[in-house]
Amino acid sequence: AQTVTQSQPEMSVQEAETVTLSCTYDTSESDYYLFWYKQPPSRQMILVIRQEAYKQQNATENRFSVNFQKAAKSFSLKISDSQLGDAAMYFCAYRSPRRGGSQGNLIFGKGTKLSVKP
Amino acid sequence: SAVISQKPSRDICQRGTSLTIQCQVDSQVTMMFWYRQQPGQSLTLIATANQGSEATYESGFVIDKFPISRPNLTFSTLTVSNMSPEDSSIYLCSISGSPGEKLFFGSGTQLSVL
Repeated sequence: AQTVTQSQPEMSVQEAETVTLSCTYDTSESDYYLFWYKQPPSRQMILVIRQEAYKQQNATENRFSVNFQKAAKSFSLKISDSQLGDAAMYFCAYRSPRRGGSQGNLIFGKGTKLSVKP
Repeated sequence: SAVISQKPSRDICQRGTSLTIQCQVDSQVTMMFWYRQQPGQSLTLIATANQGSEATYESGFVIDKFPISRPNLTFSTLTVSNMSPEDSSIYLCSISGSPGEKLFFGSGTQLSVL
């Protein structure tokens, strides 16, 4: 079974600085998808960034980028020029490409609470 | 992107009662998932609801406690039955058209059981 580990329960960053959130995962599959979701106090789960395992190029979305190391099974999120609105819980998630039963659902890490200091 | 309407957004319920949570999508989707997020915790999958078949439940979750309906490709309900304070959580529905796509989430239902 796949597992996702986020080893940083809490992180803090100064506004306008850069912060990196760590995520490792375990799987025997060669093809899969990885995601970072943000959950502010409103409870809404918001997709931050998505990475397909077969793509070597790291995904980038504006101030958000990932460092995807497939051999090391590592998928860290870098937030540049941090803003107050970035403060939230961040969840790393794994998704299998397989169908059937409960396949295709997201397996989440425990989350990292990010605080942004003005 | 799909629009998901989940309701109620929050409720306070008495022990022993049941609550049905609704999830309505503005387009037809193959897979709908129901997650539970206990206070300060991550999301845990309760079950996968596929139209036209029985829901698939994850280990630790049973149909008698969390019955699910999926009458068509745009709607699903999750019932939390015979509630106890341990059921106090956020419940979220999510959808996907295919395994490679991102999951869209409803806004969640904050349930408190007294």
